[in-house]
Parts: sequence; structure tokens; C-alpha cells
Amino acid sequence: ETGVTQTPRHLVMGMTNKKSLKCEQHLGHNAMYWYKQSAKKPLELMFVYSLEERVENNSVPSRFSPECPNSSHLFLHLHTLQPEDSALYLCASSQGTGTAIYNEQFFGPGTRLTVL
Amino acid sequence: ILNVEQSPQSLHVQEGDSTNFTCSFPSSNFYALHWYRWETAKSPEALFVMTLNGDEKKKGRISATLNTKEGYSYLYIKGSQPEDSATYLCAFSNFNKFYFGSGTKLNVKP
Repeated sequence: ETGVTQTPRHLVMGMTNKKSLKCEQHLGHNAMYWYKQSAKKPLELMFVYSLEERVENNSVPSRFSPECPNSSHLFLHLHTLQPEDSALYLCASSQGTGTAIYNEQFFGPGTRLTVL
Repeated sequence: ILNVEQSPQSLHVQEGDSTNFTCSFPSSNFYALHWYRWETAKSPEALFVMTLNGDEKKKGRISATLNTKEGYSYLYIKGSQPEDSATYLCAFSNFNKFYFGSGTKLNVKP
């Protein structure tokens, strides 16, 4: 595998379910990101991990819980989601540390999430 | 929330036309301006990251300029080809925030 991979590519879940999205980067980067794209809205940065520590959390509801066990893997744990959380969730990685994003990001293909 | 504005929202050009788009962003606390291309059913792909006022970057037929004092960046495509059809996104970074614009959707007709 090369680049940034995400699984699953599509996910349908009920509001009471618990599921997890997985992201893996094969680029040797030390920063990873979760983004959300809702219909007709810009890409929104949700979480930033730099050197496996969370450095940014853009007021994301607690029903979204990120986890970064090592520099290559990033998870987004989902529980008691709402229908308005239906969106495309993209993972990205880059070189660099800290909160300012200077370096180009490499994106995965995304997970299309539908919450019923 | 900081405003990152892109114009136009969409653009239809003929193959061979040259075109340009605008990204406007807050001029204070500037750190970096990113441009990405996002083709349908693919992942966003980085084009440029610019950090210095007056920066000009080029990749093939695509180039970009940056004016941090007035808060804008232009992306130019020379001699558009159908494979250039995509949404072009800019993103602004200050010291602890990162915001994307809504994008300019380009359609190049053969």
C-alpha cells in the first residue's frame, strides 16, 4: 500500500451504533488530520495530531473521538451520531509539527458516512 | 471562524483557454496559503504551499501568486485541458487555525 488509505470507504450506521474509521499513512509523516466535508460546505478541519499528540480540536462534539496510537495510524471513533453528521470524512498526513500547517497534506480517499 | 473566499464558484472554459481564480483570506497572522486540486471521485491533491509575500510558484501549466499584505492569491491555468477539470481549493493557515475555501469548480470542454 502507498500513500494514505482509509477504511471503510462507505459506512451506514444507526444513531445508537458505535463504529470506527481507520486511516493509515505509508509516507513516514509525523502529522495526521481528520476532516469533514458536509454537502455544500467547505472542508472542515476536525482534529490534528502531531507526533501522536493532539494539537488541535476544532470544537468538535464529543460523539467524535479520535485516537492516534502511532504516527502511521489514526482512528475516529463514532458513537451516538446524528443524521446531520452524515458527510465525507477525509484523513490526511504531512510532515511537520506544531499547530501551524506549513507543509502540503496528502489525503486519503475518504469514508462516506451515512447516519440513519 | 475566519473567512476564506474563493471566486468564481464555478467556471466553464473551452480547451486551450487560459483561466485564473482568486482566493481571499485574512491578512493578519498569516502563516501559509495552500492550493489543492480535487477531481471527482479522487482525493484532494496538493498543488502549492506558499508562505512568503510575493511568492510565485509554478507546476507545468499551473502557477500561483501570493499577496499576504492584501490577503489574496491567484491561481492561473495556461491552455486549459479537459484533464484540468476539477475543484480547486485554497486553504489559509495562521498560527493555530486552518481553513479551506469552498472552491472553484472548473469544467474544461474539449
